[in-house]
Amino acid sequence: EVQLVESGAALVQPGGSLRLSCAASGFTFSNSPMSWVRQAPGKGLEWVSAINDKSDIIKYADSVKGRFTISRDNSKKTLFLQLNSLRVEDTAVYYCAKRFGSGPADYYFDHWGQGTLVTVSS
Amino acid sequence: QSVLTQPPSVSGAPGQRVTISCTGSSSNIGAGFDVHWYQHLPGTAPKLLIYGNINRPSGVPDRFSGSKSGTSASLAITGLQAEDEADYYCQSYDSSLYVFGTGTKVTVL
Repeated sequence: EVQLVESGAALVQPGGSLRLSCAASGFTFSNSPMSWVRQAPGKGLEWVSAINDKSDIIKYADSVKGRFTISRDNSKKTLFLQLNSLRVEDTAVYYCAKRFGSGPADYYFDHWGQGTLVTVSS
Repeated sequence: QSVLTQPPSVSGAPGQRVTISCTGSSSNIGAGFDVHWYQHLPGTAPKLLIYGNINRPSGVPDRFSGSKSGTSASLAITGLQAEDEADYYCQSYDSSLYVFGTGTKVTVL
């Protein structure tokens, strides 16, 4: 059974930093492109960042580019998101999501974690 | 700001049919990228409902169906049930980035 478990929830002040983790199991993590998706309170889903299996293709939403860094450790089956220069508008539940595959038609997420809450407030 | 537009809410009585539209543009849905749909209950992990415009993952009831035409797509729920009350999001691809719809809350009357 595929499992994705996020951790790192915290209350941080504006300008602060935080690292989120997503522990994966039940599938071949080292072959799977992954993403982070967030949902701000009362808002919809917003894709944040993606990383391919080998960490040589990384993408960010404009809203977080230059402030967030996605990475992965395939040996530990863990996905990370480093959040720097946090803003109040970064307050959200952050989900890690597994992309179905690496093919050109596979740009969707077949498994998601339960999410971890990041609150940015003074 | 979402580039895929959905109605904020739809509602129906149990047993009825409801549809949710997802309107994009020539740079995403109209460019040939597939549309996928997710069901999201508050406090839970989003669930893949439809992938590749029309396909249901194993375990998703056939009450859920998807379609795509031009720069838009739709999700239909037939035989609406109380358990279908949730938020629904479409998702596609645009300028090498993932994009989600604005989301639709389905209420079962």
